[in-house]
Amino acid sequence: KAGVTQTPRYLIKTRGQQVTLSCSPISGHRSVSWYQQTPGQGLQFLFEYFSETQRNKGNFPGRFSGRQFSNSRSEMNVSTLELGDSALYLCASSLLVGTGNTIYFGEGSWLTVV
Amino acid sequence: AQSVAQPEDQVNVAEGNPLTVKCTYSVSGNPYLFWYVQYPNRGLQFLLKYITGDNLVKGSYGFEAEFNKSQTSFHLKKPSALVSDSALYFCAVSDNFNKFYFGSGTKLNVKP
Repeated sequence: KAGVTQTPRYLIKTRGQQVTLSCSPISGHRSVSWYQQTPGQGLQFLFEYFSETQRNKGNFPGRFSGRQFSNSRSEMNVSTLELGDSALYLCASSLLVGTGNTIYFGEGSWLTVV
Repeated sequence: AQSVAQPEDQVNVAEGNPLTVKCTYSVSGNPYLFWYVQYPNRGLQFLLKYITGDNLVKGSYGFEAEFNKSQTSFHLKKPSALVSDSALYFCAVSDNFNKFYFGSGTKLNVKP
């Protein structure tokens, strides 16, 4: 069974540009969540989607947005990029809804903003 | 509010010796606790979780964790460390809608 797939793996963008990252969850998983990982802030929750609905959102500015499609694939978008947005962006999927479910991570997308 | 703390930035252990990576938690309600491992330039891999029941949880690659409610701890353990266990380990607690709160991570160094 294929794992969580994230594309692209590496990208370099310039300040002020926007970026879109893609995530395909494990087959059958309908919950997709996104995390930002930086050396300074660690792992921080961005948002979670289930059945195309955002159910939870972390404490990030409105420049960070996401969506989920009917096939459970998800994208996240960051507009007006800042240097501080340089990070590893991790997508995770889960089979179940509710509390206490295991989430499974992809390899991540490394974003460098110059 | 949910949170976890990993008091050690780094743990050094010799191959073949037992290892412990510490984690304490603070939750409102029932604790749902997890351990993940991250190898360089990779995503996080699930090791084990505690939901309810037996306080000793067994997971992947020979790891186990002990849930202690009175000490609000969930320490990760392995009886005999391998060099290949060297990685970054994260403790986490989950909240509603699959929202996870992660600790700051502990770098495990296993020396040959």
